[in-house]
Amino acid sequence: NAGVTQTPKFQVLKTGQSMTLQCAQDMNHEYMSWYRQDPGMGLRLIHYSVGAGITDQGEVPNGYNVSRSTTEDFPLRLLSAAPSQTSVYFCASRPGQWKQPQHFGDGTRLSIL
Amino acid sequence: DQQVKQNSPSLSVQEGRISILNCDYTNSMFDYFLWYKKYPAEGPTFLISISSIKDKNEDGRFTVFLNKSAKHLSLHIVPSQPGDSAVYFCAASSGGSNYKLTFGKGTLLTVNP
Repeated sequence: NAGVTQTPKFQVLKTGQSMTLQCAQDMNHEYMSWYRQDPGMGLRLIHYSVGAGITDQGEVPNGYNVSRSTTEDFPLRLLSAAPSQTSVYFCASRPGQWKQPQHFGDGTRLSIL
Repeated sequence: DQQVKQNSPSLSVQEGRISILNCDYTNSMFDYFLWYKKYPAEGPTFLISISSIKDKNEDGRFTVFLNKSAKHLSLHIVPSQPGDSAVYFCAASSGGSNYKLTFGKGTLLTVNP
């Protein structure tokens, strides 16, 4: 059972570079989301999607872009990387029914130099 | 303004004893609460949840209590085991949609053999 798969696990970028963090789930979940976790902080919501073709902003969306062309995939794009985006990024998914827990991937650790 | 607060950054207990992790919230619209456990280099793993229509939910060694009037919830682990050593996050959402989870900063639980 793969669940939520995130790639890459680690990445180092230079300021100004762009990249895409990949997230895929094989549970046919309608809802997917991206969080970032910084030292001493809880997870903060970046963007989320309630289904293919539908995305919305979370708490900290600036500097990130998302799209949802399929149910399975929800990539997160950094348009022009900044040191403030150094963080651990987690993708999550859950079924569409009410009050179901979100299931998380193992994260991507991203460093911006 | 932090809407979900875990005021104890760390907690240490002896194996076999009870672990009590606390969480306070300020947003009265929150109606669904979750606890996640996180090991290093892994994603958060769902542990247990509770809806605001209940004041207690049990799952094996784990029990979550909700006191709506005090805007307080707690996670009890009995008996505690060394494998329970991890960071525990409290999270909350509103409107039943669970689209947007608001996380606390986490409590590091250490269970000593």
